[in-house]
Amino acid sequence: AQKVTQAQTEISVVEKEDVTLDCVYETRDTTYYLFWYKQPPSGELVFLIRRNSFDEQNEISGRYSWNFQKSTSSFNFTITASQVVDSAVYFCALSETTTGANNLFFGTGTRLTVIP
Amino acid sequence: KAGVTQTPRYLIKTRGQQVTLSCSPISGHRSVSWYQQTPGQGLQFLFEYFSETQRNKGNFPGRFSGRQFSNSRSEMNVSTLELGDSALYLCASSLGGSGKYEQYFGPGTRLTVT
Repeated sequence: AQKVTQAQTEISVVEKEDVTLDCVYETRDTTYYLFWYKQPPSGELVFLIRRNSFDEQNEISGRYSWNFQKSTSSFNFTITASQVVDSAVYFCALSETTTGANNLFFGTGTRLTVIP
Repeated sequence: KAGVTQTPRYLIKTRGQQVTLSCSPISGHRSVSWYQQTPGQGLQFLFEYFSETQRNKGNFPGRFSGRQFSNSRSEMNVSTLELGDSALYLCASSLGGSGKYEQYFGPGTRLTVT
């Protein structure tokens, strides 16, 4: 069965600190996709990144970086030099390909608060 | 390109009533998925439509149904509302299927059942 675990329920950091959000997943599929979404107070889920199971290269986009490690089934997200605007709930999600459908399995989310 | 739009944004209904929520996907996107978000259960997949066909359904009772029109717009219906149906209902669209495309979400419809 598929599962996404985000063990950190809430994290608070002071502005300009770095912060890493953890994500561990379980799946029996050999081909799958991992995603990160941001949900600001407005409620809309904002897509951040997609990674497929065959691409373990880390990715950096501005202050954001992602570390995908298949050996530990983890897909962690780091924000460097955090800003108040980064305050939001962040969700990690898994999509399997066997059903052919678009069905995201979400973790429970990590609420990040950046204190000015 | 316009994003995913959902109407209405807020809705208050009474237990036992039914409700219809609407979603317009990004132009060119043929897949529309629906999710329910509650504080207790988190984000849960309801169902997905692709080219007017339901491809997958989550673990929800038959009171939850949906459909998709030829222009890819989708509606979700909940009949005989229960208090536990109070939630944020999110619609997402994507280019295609197979789980490999990112899904873009709308602002959601917040349903309150009293």
